Amino acid sequence: GNSVTQMEGPVTLSEEAFLTINCTYTATGYPSLFWYVQYPGEGLQLLLKATKADDKGSNKGFEATYRKETTSFHLEKGSVQVSDSAVYFCALQNTGFQKLVFGTGTRLLVSP
Amino acid sequence: DGGITQSPKYLFRKEGQNVTLSCEQNLNHDAMYWYRQDPGQGLRLIYYSQIVNDFQKGDIAEGYSVSREKKESFPLTVTSAQKNPTAFYLCASRWIPTDNSPLHFGNGTRLTVT
Repeated sequence: GNSVTQMEGPVTLSEEAFLTINCTYTATGYPSLFWYVQYPGEGLQLLLKATKADDKGSNKGFEATYRKETTSFHLEKGSVQVSDSAVYFCALQNTGFQKLVFGTGTRLLVSP
Repeated sequence: DGGITQSPKYLFRKEGQNVTLSCEQNLNHDAMYWYRQDPGQGLRLIYYSQIVNDFQKGDIAEGYSVSREKKESFPLTVTSAQKNPTAFYLCASRWIPTDNSPLHFGNGTRLTVT
């Protein structure tokens, strides 16, 4: 079946540090991949997406590249800010299926 | 502004009572979803609906019921049969025509049952 595995959190960083949150997936076919972000007390917001191999999604300084050979979609940011503190979810959507499959989420804490 | 409205933000109920969570969207989206979020478990799909008057069970539908009488509305009832109802509930919607269209989420309802 389809599944997503994310690194356990929390990830604790100082402001301006480099961020990587690992995400690997298992899926048949050619899924689309997503990163969602959840700020405290809110719902999820789409951060970025990639729909085919080697695509790079980017938004607000965050990037992730769809790597089919390693079945990965790691989230990166060159310089994090305190305002980036949130929970980040990796998700996949397989063609023809209506359900998104989410990872368990990774909490990021950025201190000044 | 278009979006998804969930109400109320916080809900408290006594054990044994049914409770209905509201979800309304004005995005003209065909598909709507209910997820449950528990600490350390990510999001789990309860029910989803692709079209008015039709809905399907998700991965954890037991103890829940839904209706889809209008395109804009997808209320979720947590029944007394749900063994662990205390959780954060998220409603989402999306425009169906493309398989990879993103989900839009409401801000959630935190339900506490004592």
